Amino acid sequence: SQQGEEDPQALSIQEGENATMNCSYKTSINNLQWYRQNSGRGLVHLILIRSNEREKHSGRLRVTLDTSKKSSSLLITASRAADTASYFCATDGSGNTGKLIFGQGTTLQVKP
Amino acid sequence: NAGVTQTPKFQVLKTGQSMTLQCAQDMNHEYMSWYRQDPGMGLRLIHYSVGAGITDQGEVPNGYNVSRSTTEDFPLRLLSAAPSQTSVYFCASRLDSVYGYTFGSGTRLTVV
Repeated sequence: SQQGEEDPQALSIQEGENATMNCSYKTSINNLQWYRQNSGRGLVHLILIRSNEREKHSGRLRVTLDTSKKSSSLLITASRAADTASYFCATDGSGNTGKLIFGQGTTLQVKP
Repeated sequence: NAGVTQTPKFQVLKTGQSMTLQCAQDMNHEYMSWYRQDPGMGLRLIHYSVGAGITDQGEVPNGYNVSRSTTEDFPLRLLSAAPSQTSVYFCASRLDSVYGYTFGSGTRLTVV
């Protein structure tokens, strides 16, 4: 089974609102990553948070990590129509195995 | 830099045929992986490699072979295509486990 599970599966908001997506995972991790996929395209890496970090920012993105709850959240502030995409979390297992496992993703629609 | 190049972009196979999906990267990345993505789902790891000469199985390796004779290339071989292998295949590479993946644009494979 996949390591990361995202919630909600789909999210629809108005432009300017904030979007929050959650990810839960099952085993110990080295780091957790978030990716974006526009329809029919490849994935684009957004941000990586290491297991010893609790929060990380990149532009309008804020990622938190709670290793005790095995969960992470991605917050997109002041969303834009161009943020419409699918967002995936992915976990890198502990032990530097190189094995990156993806969740099923959250589909975000931002209405203009 | 071309990044991660996948060929072909589209392919139709008959059941039982074999073929090789090509993946090449020019970023001197050690880590490479193959994923498949089925409609409405996340990515599932097929095989991955942490360096030339080293490969390992992912979540769904059955029916696929890989080899990594050079740092640049990581071909995926379908031994005897089945309709269940109809999917979009993504190749990705990264420098090491503390970096995010760079994805190719994908190969859309249909097995009839």
